[in-house]
Amino acid sequence: EAGVAQSPRYKIIEKRQSVAFWCNPISGHATLYWYQQILGQGPKLLIQFQNNGVVDDSQLPKDRFSAERLKGVDSTLKIQPAKLEDSAVYLCASSHFVLPYSGANVLTFGAGSRLTVL
Amino acid sequence: SQQGEEDPQALSIQEGENATMNCSYKTSINNLQWYRQNSGRGLVHLILIRSNEREKHSGRLRVTLDTSKKSSSLLITASRAADTASYFCALSRSNYQLIWGAGTKLIIKP
Repeated sequence: EAGVAQSPRYKIIEKRQSVAFWCNPISGHATLYWYQQILGQGPKLLIQFQNNGVVDDSQLPKDRFSAERLKGVDSTLKIQPAKLEDSAVYLCASSHFVLPYSGANVLTFGAGSRLTVL
Repeated sequence: SQQGEEDPQALSIQEGENATMNCSYKTSINNLQWYRQNSGRGLVHLILIRSNEREKHSGRLRVTLDTSKKSSSLLITASRAADTASYFCALSRSNYQLIWGAGTKLIIKP
C-alpha cells in the first residue's frame, strides 16, 4: 500500500511570507493529523481531522495557521505570515477511524516537510 | 505535564549490546505506543501495548508496561547499526489524544 505523501520536502522562506504544505493520506484512512516537530523535541499535534471534521485543533495558532481537508482525503496546512519560531518539520500522519473512548490508533507518518524561516 | 517522559535522553552502546529505554507518564492510559524516527524521516510505528497487557514482543523488541508505576520500557536486543534512531513513546487516553514524549536518541557504535 502506498504511504503518506507530503510535499514539498523542503521549503525556505523569509519571515512574514506564507507557505503551504500538502498531504495525501493512506487510502481509506479516515483520520488525518498534522504535527509540528521542532529539532530535538517530540511531535506536537496541530490539528486532527476525522473525515472532513476537525476533532482537535486546540494547539493550532489560529492567527497564522490554517488547515483544511476537502472531501475527507487530501489536506493542506498553511502558515501566513511565518515567524522565525515556525522553523520545524511538519509531519502529516493518518490512521483508521478512531472510535470514541477507544484511544488513539496506530499512525502512519509521511516523511515530513522541513520549513526554514529566515 | 501529561506528556510521556523518556529516559535516558540519549544512549550510546556497542553493536550487539542490548538497549533499554524507559517512558514514564502521569495519567491513566488506554494504550501506549512506541515509534522510531530515523534522522530526517517520519516516525515509524514499532509496537502498541494496551493497558491490560504487561509485555509484548515483536522480533528483537520487547515492551513492558507497569500501570501501577505508570511506566513502560522498550528493550532492543542484539542491537544493529540500523537501530540508530530516536525512539518515542506515545500515550493514548480514552479520547482522541495521543500524547508524545521528547524521545530517546539511540546511537549504535560499530
